[in-house]
Amino acid sequence: KQEVTQIPAALSVPEGENLVLNCSFTDSAIYNLQWFRQDPGKGLTSLLLIQSSQREQTSGRLNASLDKSSGRSTLYIAASQPGDSATYLCATPREGGSEKLVFGKGTKLTVNP
Amino acid sequence: ETGVTQSPTHLIKTRGQQVTLRCSSQSGHNTVSWYQQALGQGPQFIFQYYREEENGRGNFPPRFSGLQFPNYSSELNVNALELDDSALYLCASRLDRVPYGYTFGSGTRLTVV
Repeated sequence: KQEVTQIPAALSVPEGENLVLNCSFTDSAIYNLQWFRQDPGKGLTSLLLIQSSQREQTSGRLNASLDKSSGRSTLYIAASQPGDSATYLCATPREGGSEKLVFGKGTKLTVNP
Repeated sequence: ETGVTQSPTHLIKTRGQQVTLRCSSQSGHNTVSWYQQALGQGPQFIFQYYREEENGRGNFPPRFSGLQFPNYSSELNVNALELDDSALYLCASRLDRVPYGYTFGSGTRLTVV
C-alpha cells in the first residue's frame, strides 16, 4: 500500500527566502509524481509533474526533483513571495498510470512580507 | 481548453438526504476521478471512471456512487448523508497519454447538518 508523507506540515518564512518542501513515498514503483498548490477552500492547481524516468522539472521559480530509489521528491521554491502562501501537496499513482493518486497531507506555507 | 468545472461550489444538506455533485471535464479526458478532502487532510480517492465504466474504487461505502457521460461530464451521488460526509469534493480528469497528469476542478464544499 502506497503511503505519502510530507514534511514539514507547516512552514513560515520571510519573503525572499529560498525553501524546500519534502515528499516521501513508501512504494518506489510509481509512474509519476505531481506537485499541487491549494489555496484555502479551493481546488488543486497542478504545478509540476515529474515522470518516473525524469529526475527533475522546472517552471519559473519552482524546481521539483525525484529520486525513486530513495522514495523522495522535493519542491524547491526560489525567492519566495507572499503570493506563494498556500498548501502544497504531492501525489503519485503506482506504475501503470491508470491507478488512483495517493496524496500526502500537504505542507502549509506562509511567506511573510 | 476550458478546464474542469464543478457545480455547485457550496451546498448545505440535512443528514439523511441525497446529493448529486457535477463535474464537466475537458474534451478528450476519458478518465475522471472523484476525491473527498476533509479539513486539514489530503484528498482521498473515492472512485474512477474510464469511458463511462467504473475502473477503480477507494474505501467508500456503496452509498457513494457515480456516473460518467459521453460528453465528458460526470456525477457523484451520495445517499443517506451523514455528518462525516461534510468535506470538499474534488473532480479530476486526464488524457489517455503520457504524462498522465491530472487536472482538478475547484471543488464542491458540502456541509451536512
